[in-house]
Amino acid sequence: DAKTTQPPSMDCAEGRAANLPCNHSTISGNEYVYWYRQIHSQGPQYIIHGLKNNETNEMASLIITEDRKSSTLILPHATLRDTAVYYCIVSLLYSGGGADGLTFGKGTHLIIQP
Amino acid sequence: DTAVSQTPKYLVTQMGNDKSIKCEQNLGHDTMYWYKQDSKKFLKIMFSYNNKELIINETVPNRFSPKSPDKAHLNLHINSLELGDSAVYFCASSQHQGLAEAFFGQGTRLTVV
Repeated sequence: DAKTTQPPSMDCAEGRAANLPCNHSTISGNEYVYWYRQIHSQGPQYIIHGLKNNETNEMASLIITEDRKSSTLILPHATLRDTAVYYCIVSLLYSGGGADGLTFGKGTHLIIQP
Repeated sequence: DTAVSQTPKYLVTQMGNDKSIKCEQNLGHDTMYWYKQDSKKFLKIMFSYNNKELIINETVPNRFSPKSPDKAHLNLHINSLELGDSAVYFCASSQHQGLAEAFFGQGTRLTVV
């Protein structure tokens, strides 16, 4: 059973904010939300992770709802190079929780339109 | 310097052959992984090593044998290659077991003919 649900694809105009949703209604109290992306023909790239507070780094912002059942990854000013498959994963922090915590789902194919 | 490097990048081989893919990380990480991405683009964990010790072995045929000579290297040996082994194989590393800031290699595209 998938632990996260993401829309299969999304479009966003270049220069606008891209908001990628993820549902994780069965997340446990000590599981983190991780976001990775995979640009075509490259290895996955870590973006950001968080537990319950909102997080921001140079790549993106992560907004986690108060009940922690869903989250949104925000790319503030999307560029064409942000076109990629974005994966939302829930996992324990330092143990991974076994193979389930290391499994990538189907992700969202984000297409940035010029 | 590439953080996680895999060789070769492309590998085309015949059924029944034995091949190896090498992976090295220069990040000082304790944990390394092998993932398989099939034609449907699903990324599946195969193996995880922590400080040269096998932690995860995910129902992978025993034709696949990972070997970690030291914590900076995790190689993947595949015996008696089959058509279904065709995929992109990714090596990754992280400081701790888990997905916190894991780094992935560029992948090895294996084609079995």
